[in-house]
Amino acid sequence: DGGITQSPKYLFRKEGQNVTLSCEQNLNHDAMYWYRQDPGQGLRLIYYSQIVNDFQKGDIAEGYSVSREKKESFPLTVTSAQKNPTAFYLCASSMPGGENIQYFGAGTRLSVL
Amino acid sequence: AQKVTQAQTEISVVEKEDVTLDCVYETRDTTYYLFWYKQPPSGELVFLIRRNSFDEQNEISGRYSWNFQKSTSSFNFTITASQVVDSAVYFCALSETGNTPLVFGKGTRLSVIA
Repeated sequence: DGGITQSPKYLFRKEGQNVTLSCEQNLNHDAMYWYRQDPGQGLRLIYYSQIVNDFQKGDIAEGYSVSREKKESFPLTVTSAQKNPTAFYLCASSMPGGENIQYFGAGTRLSVL
Repeated sequence: AQKVTQAQTEISVVEKEDVTLDCVYETRDTTYYLFWYKQPPSGELVFLIRRNSFDEQNEISGRYSWNFQKSTSSFNFTITASQVVDSAVYFCALSETGNTPLVFGKGTRLSVIA
């Protein structure tokens, strides 16, 4: 089935540790996005990529890094510089053609040990 | 800068009641898109509708309807005869045209009580 797969579903980070969240899509979408959701808040943009090997910072990029080496994959690394990483992370992708309907994965819930 | 405001944080209704979720947006763009997404307890966001700024026609899909009014910068969502399965957090969002990031409101948590 076509869709967006995020893994793992739950992730725990120790102090000073970098962790990587996976996002894979088989929808042949050009653009991919990472959003962060905190309780009672809307989604805030971390990074996005409109084509392979190119990405742009969002509103809250500090403490995060990404890569886009393949069209299908857009992993997000939460670095030790991110002092408050506990949140729900959602990956999305959108089809070409300008309609900008974004389809979301099931999310990764990150907690700090 | 773009902004979306969902003033209703939480709403509770009894099953079969109608309920309207409000969304007010701000943008300087003349061309833009508006969206509604549903987030059930599982967490995944489910796309409900997209509207472009040139299309002010109201839309109805089953029990769902949307009222887009550019004059008041609003894009409200009504559920008719609500059901328990409608319980979720609903997000309104805004974007420029093209494959650009969405700007989300903070969401409205709807609880439908049997």
